[in-house]
Amino acid sequence: QVQLVQSGAEVKKPGASVKVSCKASGFTFTDYYINWVRQAPGQGLEWMGWINPKTGGTNFAQKFQGWVTMTRDTSISTAYMELSRLTSDHTGVYYCARIEISGTTDAFDIWGQGTMVSVS
Amino acid sequence: DIQMSQSPSSLSASVGDRVTITCRASQSIDRYLNWYHQKPGKAPKLLIYAASTLQSGVSTRFSGSGSGTEFTLTISSLQPEDFATYYCQQSYSPPRTFGQGTKLEIK
Repeated sequence: QVQLVQSGAEVKKPGASVKVSCKASGFTFTDYYINWVRQAPGQGLEWMGWINPKTGGTNFAQKFQGWVTMTRDTSISTAYMELSRLTSDHTGVYYCARIEISGTTDAFDIWGQGTMVSVS
Repeated sequence: DIQMSQSPSSLSASVGDRVTITCRASQSIDRYLNWYHQKPGKAPKLLIYAASTLQSGVSTRFSGSGSGTEFTLTISSLQPEDFATYYCQQSYSPPRTFGQGTKLEIK
């Protein structure tokens, strides 16, 4: 079964960091960019950036540069997104989603279930 | 950054109705436009990519059209499971921006 499974909800204090994982199964991990998308409470979707699992290369939306780190462990087909210097503005649900690196779809076709990060 | 705007922001309709949602881009994005819907507490689901290509497994009552800066999503005959929030998203250039969403509610 093709799926992305994310780690569980987190509650953090302001100033802390949090690391969210996204485990891929049912497909070749290195054939897809893993993207991260944020959804603040009651708000819309906001693309944060992606990681290329094959190379480790990353691309971030400008507003997320400096406080988001994306890494991966290809041996366990897992991508990670770490948020640092948390404030209450960072509260929300964080999704991972894949896009085929050399495909034609160029859309987020498989999503993780989301990870709620609460900062208070 | 390319700005995406959707209209209307919310819409009330009945089962069996035909509804259309519009998405506009701040500059031409060719046909690099995708549509998703999201139900409360769930992850978004891809419906249409490249403006008009139906994602595998998605009902044929969904259709998309448009190119350049204006796009539409049409649901031909609303079913109860279609009541959700709909988002457009451009894949023309990074950052991959979304519209603000259209909430489709039961009348």
